[in-house]
Amino acid sequence: IAGITQAPTSQILAAGRRMTLRCTQDMRHNAMYWYRQDLGLGLRLIHYSNTAGTTGKGEVPDGYSVSRANTDDFPLTLASAVPSQTSVYFCASSDGSGANVLTFGAGSRLTVL
Amino acid sequence: GQNIDQPTEMTATEGAIVQINCTYQTSGFNGLFWYQQHAGEAPTFLSYNVLDGLEEKGRFSSFLSRSKGYSYLLLKELQMKDSASYLCAVRDSDYKLSFGAGTTVTVRA
Repeated sequence: IAGITQAPTSQILAAGRRMTLRCTQDMRHNAMYWYRQDLGLGLRLIHYSNTAGTTGKGEVPDGYSVSRANTDDFPLTLASAVPSQTSVYFCASSDGSGANVLTFGAGSRLTVL
Repeated sequence: GQNIDQPTEMTATEGAIVQINCTYQTSGFNGLFWYQQHAGEAPTFLSYNVLDGLEEKGRFSSFLSRSKGYSYLLLKELQMKDSASYLCAVRDSDYKLSFGAGTTVTVRA
C-alpha cells in the first residue's frame, strides 16, 4: 500500500527515556517533515528534510533530532523525553512538484509521564 | 514567520452552507492550503490557492485574496461526514508549511 507508515501507533514513556518514532514512505518523495499536534495549537513543524542527506529545523526543534540516511526513512528521536513532549506526532512527505501537497502518516500518540 | 487565524468552532445543519475564514500574516507567501482532519485521523488535502480568486472542487470551494491576507473555505450541501476539523495552512518562500489551529465543524441533522 503506497503511503507513509509510522510506528509506534501509541506509546507511553517515562520521562528521561530515549524514544525514536519511525517514519517510512514508499512514494519516493524527496521532502519529509515531522509535525506535532497539540489541542488549540494546531500542527507545528519540528524538523524537515528537503532531500536525503539534508535536514533543517522547524518551528519547535528543541529536544528532538532527525536523520535522513535515505529517501524512504525519516526517524524522529527524543533523546531524553519530558512531559511537555506529550503530543500526537505526524510524519509527512511531498514530492516537491506543482502544489507540493503534503501526504501525512496516521500519527503516533506519545505520552510522557 | 506566519500568524494564521481561523475560528475555533462552527456548527451548521445538514444541507446548509458553511464558510470558514482564515486570515494570515506572513513574511513570504507561496501558497495557501486547506486540509480536512477527522477526529483521530491524519489531515488530508482539500484545496490549494496561490493566485487570487476562487477554486472550486465539487462541494468545496476555496478563495484567496493575497492583498488582504485572507482566505475562506466554503462547504456546500453539508453532509454528516463533513463533521471534522478544517486546517488553514500557509506556505512560505522556503516551502515550509505553517498551520492554523483548525476550525472544528459540527454538522447537525
